[in-house]
Amino acid sequence: DIQMTQSPSSVSASVGDRVTITCRASQGISSWLAWYQQKPGKAPNLLIYAASSLQSGVPSRFSGSGSGTDFTLTISSLQPEDFATYYCQQANRFPSTFGGGTKVEIK
Amino acid sequence: EVQLVESGGGLVQPGGSLRLSCAASGFTFSSYEMNWVRQAPGKGLEWVSYISSSGNTIYYADSVKGRFTISRDNAKNSLYLQMNSLRAEDTAVYYCARDLGFATVTTLGYWGQGTLVTVSS
Repeated sequence: DIQMTQSPSSVSASVGDRVTITCRASQGISSWLAWYQQKPGKAPNLLIYAASSLQSGVPSRFSGSGSGTDFTLTISSLQPEDFATYYCQQANRFPSTFGGGTKVEIK
Repeated sequence: EVQLVESGGGLVQPGGSLRLSCAASGFTFSSYEMNWVRQAPGKGLEWVSYISSSGNTIYYADSVKGRFTISRDNAKNSLYLQMNSLRAEDTAVYYCARDLGFATVTTLGYWGQGTLVTVSS
């Protein structure tokens, strides 16, 4: 199975900060990576698919990059509604696997 | 508007069984692949199972293989997860999720609100 390693596991940031989350796959997955945002008590919400494509309706301050084994999610200017937990997911082959999550907290 | 509504969760004893359902609306259900994803309390997301649009291709996570069965009824716009031989570690919120429609079949573009399964004596 492909292991997905996210870092950091948590980050404290202020409104307006630039935040970067990384995700590393244990083997190459081309660009088949997705990023999700989850708020407490809610279902996850797709932000980015195919490593860098922005899902419809998602603000442009979110962006994704990378291919192969190393990927990043960047929030260019953190907004109050962005405090949440973020997960990467490899969508290259079964079984699909998620990273452990990154909690973005208010500094 | 795409809607996915899970039901069937609850409290069950270890070794017991439960059947989850997911009612889909707002799209042509028979055209889309579907998945189940779960989340244990305070933990991360775990992909559980996939079924193709026709139901002919199915995959499971190793942690549930041989105990869980995914199925669908395209005439009823419904997805199911039959869970047998339940263990305490199966306790989680279970989400049904639809693939995005492009990209890959496990790019999960739409999610239900989840249903809680608690396995405890």
